[in-house]
Amino acid sequence: TQLLEQSPQFLSIQEGENLTVYCNSSSVFSSLQWYRQEPGEGPVLLVTVVTGGEVKKLKRLTFQFGDARKDSSLHITAAQPGDTGLYLCGYKYIFGTGTRLKVLA
Amino acid sequence: GAGVSQSPSNKVTEKGKDVELRCDPISGHTALYWYRQSLGQGLEFLIYFQGNSAPDKSGLPSDRFSAERTGGSVSTLTIQRTQQEDSAVYLCASSWTGTNYGYTFGSGTRLTVV
Repeated sequence: TQLLEQSPQFLSIQEGENLTVYCNSSSVFSSLQWYRQEPGEGPVLLVTVVTGGEVKKLKRLTFQFGDARKDSSLHITAAQPGDTGLYLCGYKYIFGTGTRLKVLA
Repeated sequence: GAGVSQSPSNKVTEKGKDVELRCDPISGHTALYWYRQSLGQGLEFLIYFQGNSAPDKSGLPSDRFSAERTGGSVSTLTIQRTQQEDSAVYLCASSWTGTNYGYTFGSGTRLTVV
């Protein structure tokens, strides 16, 4: 069974700070997806990374896929209260346990 | 439709009653998934439909849970003899065939068993 472990589980930061969350596995993945889920809504796909070492940027969000395709990270620059939510990594229909981010104004 | 539609959005039921939750996937999406999300938790995979293939039921927590997908489109998740521990948000997602490029989720059905 391919497991995805995310860290940290919870993160509370002040507006303007930078942060990084991680998604790790002992398995190799052909691709990995990142989602953000806001309260009362379903997860929304942010990005898919495919190639080892790949870096994708989405405004203030930077996603990186590890060279060995076993791990990924999401870095947020100058976090905003609108970034608050549950961040999930996923592969096919398997999802990590998520990082719950709260950005305080 | 433009997105994945789930109904009802909220359901309160008495312990022991049966409930049916509905999912309308994006038109043309052949894959459909059901997940359960308990309060403050991540996503628990329940069942996966792909085209006309037999569904992957490996995530269903007990035989009280079942799902069907009619005509390769609409899906219904049925929970029989509901228990309080079934209280959760049930999420449906759909995707194109064989994609590794992520899914589109509905907003979920919040089920409360009292």
